[in-house]
Amino acid sequence: AQSVSQHNHHVILSEAASLELGCNYSYGGTVNLFWYVQYPGQHLQLLLKYFSGDPLVKGIKGFEAEFIKSKFSFNLRKPSVQWSDTAEYFCAVTNYGQNFVFGPGTRLSVLP
Amino acid sequence: DSGVTQTPKHLITATGQRVTLRCSPRSGDLSVYWYQQSLDQGLQFLIQYYNGEERAKGNILERFSAQQFPDLHSELNLSSLELGDSALYFCASSPRLDWNEQFFGPGTRLTVL
Repeated sequence: AQSVSQHNHHVILSEAASLELGCNYSYGGTVNLFWYVQYPGQHLQLLLKYFSGDPLVKGIKGFEAEFIKSKFSFNLRKPSVQWSDTAEYFCAVTNYGQNFVFGPGTRLSVLP
Repeated sequence: DSGVTQTPKHLITATGQRVTLRCSPRSGDLSVYWYQQSLDQGLQFLIQYYNGEERAKGNILERFSAQQFPDLHSELNLSSLELGDSALYFCASSPRLDWNEQFFGPGTRLTVL
């Protein structure tokens, strides 16, 4: 069965610090990868997705992620975080519609 | 605002009862997905419907069922409720079958007492 792990449960950063959130998945076939964000009290929103092509994908709000197939990883990065990035971040994977698996989430707290 | 609406926002009920959660997808979206978010299980995919037909099934209990109606709205029915069913239930919609981009609703918070 597919599974998704996220390295950190809770990350605390100061504004302007760089961010990297780890995500690893277990599935040997072709997958589609996503990062979703859930701001406090709000619904899930798509940050970025990878289907094929350039393994470095850019999303909204300055986020990017790199797909490294050999490492089964899809880490999320942002060069300089803002207080407004405080949220919970979910990595997710689907193998062409057979299932959609979310990671456990990483809570990001950005201190002003 | 994603364009996906869910009702009710909150639901409090007792063990053994049955409830129905409703989801209206974005205009034109044919796929509807249901998810459960709880503290111990995280976010779990339950079921997907596309244009009225069930297309994918995740960790959905036998006590739970769903359907999608001709107007494309969907309902999730939860029966014989247990304390552990307390959770936030999200629905999402997307234009196609391929899980490309899902737009999530605000969720229904279910509390089972």
